[in-house]
Amino acid sequence: DTEVTQTPKHLVMGMTNKKSLKCEQHMGHRAMYWYKQKAKKPPELMFVYSYEKLSINESVPSRFSPECPNSSLLNLHLHALQPEDSALYLCASSHIASENTEAFFGQGTRLTVV
Amino acid sequence: GENVEQHPSTLSVQEGDSAVIKCTYSDSASNYFPWYKQELGKRPQLIIDIRSNVGEKKDQRIAVTLNKTAKHFSLHITETQPEDSAVYFCAASIVDNFNKFYFGSGTKLNVKP
Repeated sequence: DTEVTQTPKHLVMGMTNKKSLKCEQHMGHRAMYWYKQKAKKPPELMFVYSYEKLSINESVPSRFSPECPNSSLLNLHLHALQPEDSALYLCASSHIASENTEAFFGQGTRLTVV
Repeated sequence: GENVEQHPSTLSVQEGDSAVIKCTYSDSASNYFPWYKQELGKRPQLIIDIRSNVGEKKDQRIAVTLNKTAKHFSLHITETQPEDSAVYFCAASIVDNFNKFYFGSGTKLNVKP
């Protein structure tokens, strides 16, 4: 199984809503990532979890709250978002400090904030 | 943090020609350099990667070269085909106890039949 699965595929939310994005992998990867991708732009690193601990927060606003409940799951909790937060949110996973360090991406959640 | 620059932003070639995309990076600690292909509306997918202890790697029509001293690496696609049309991203990362992948700005490759 070389899949990273993200749900939902599409999400429309109001600025006062609370929602969560979910990501799951069963490849035994101990590094998991959240990226934000705007149209015609590269993926932009938001968070890195290593061994279920938050290792990197790239100065992401607190309205984005990541969570890694176990080694297979990664969540991104959303609250009080702004319209400019509309983007494709990509989850990825990889091994750590390994000869095989390929990052596998999920298909993304396309988020629209209205 | 790492800064990855990628050129050109768009590239049009005739089917059968070669395509070259170039990237530079700023952090000399970066030691892993993957290239991703992203088709419209789809996830980025790895097409080739290279580690800092290797200068060149080839996989059929695709090759990557790395110059650690100059901090640049390039993607070479030979005998291009229309299905090679996509956006290509280079990335630089530091592979250690936690990995950080930083992407270049992307190159939109258009292969004309």
